[in-house]
Amino acid sequence: DAGVIQSPRHEVTEMGQEVTLRCKPISGHDYLFWYRQTMMRGLELLIYFNNNVPIDDSGMPEDRFSAKMPNASFSTLKIQPSEPRDSAVYFCASSLYRQITYEQYFGPGTRLTVT
Amino acid sequence: RKEVEQDPGPFNVPEGATVAFNCTYSNSASQSFFWYRQDCRKEPKLLMSVYSSGNEDGRFTAQLNRASQYISLLIRDSKLSDSATYLCVVSSNTGGFKTIFGAGTRLFVKA
Repeated sequence: DAGVIQSPRHEVTEMGQEVTLRCKPISGHDYLFWYRQTMMRGLELLIYFNNNVPIDDSGMPEDRFSAKMPNASFSTLKIQPSEPRDSAVYFCASSLYRQITYEQYFGPGTRLTVT
Repeated sequence: RKEVEQDPGPFNVPEGATVAFNCTYSNSASQSFFWYRQDCRKEPKLLMSVYSSGNEDGRFTAQLNRASQYISLLIRDSKLSDSATYLCVVSSNTGGFKTIFGAGTRLFVKA
C-alpha cells in the first residue's frame, strides 16, 4: 500500500518566485496536515484539512502561504512570493480518525531552498 | 513554557544498554499521545501510541502519567539501529484538533 507521496522532493528557487508543493495522502484517510521543519523551530503544524475542508490555518506564517485540497487525493501548499527564510523541509501527513486517536503518517518531505 | 518539552540530549549509550526518555506536556485536556522516530534527513515515523495503561512493543515500552502530565519511552537492549531522534507528540480535540510535536531527543547507540 502506497504511503503519503510528496513532490518535488527537492526544490531550489530564487527569492520572489512562486513555489508549489504537492501531496497525495494515503487513500481513505480523512485528515491531511502540512508541517514545516527547521533546526531552529522544529516541526510546526501549518494547516490541516478534514474531508478536504481547511479546519485550522493558524499556523500559516503569512499571507504568502496558501493551501488547497480540491479532492480527497490531492493537496497543494503554495508560497508566493518565496523568501530565503522559507527554506525548510515541508512535510505532508495524513491520518484516519479512529475514536480519539490521530496516528499521522508522513510523506518523505520536500526540501525547499530559497536563495 | 513550551507546550511539549523533551530533554534534547544527546543520549550516548553502548549497545545493549537501557535508555529512557521523558516528555512533559502542559495541556491537561490532551487526549492522544505518541512517540515518533525520525532518522537524519527522513520523515518522522510513528513508533508507538501511548495508552493510559502503558504499552509495550518488543524492546520498547511507553508509559503515560496523566496526573503528572508526562510520557516516557523506555528502550531495552539498545541496537545501533535505534540511533535516531525520538519525538514526543501530544494531541487534543477540545476546541479544535491540535497536535504539538516536541523538539525531540537525540539518541546515539555505539558499538
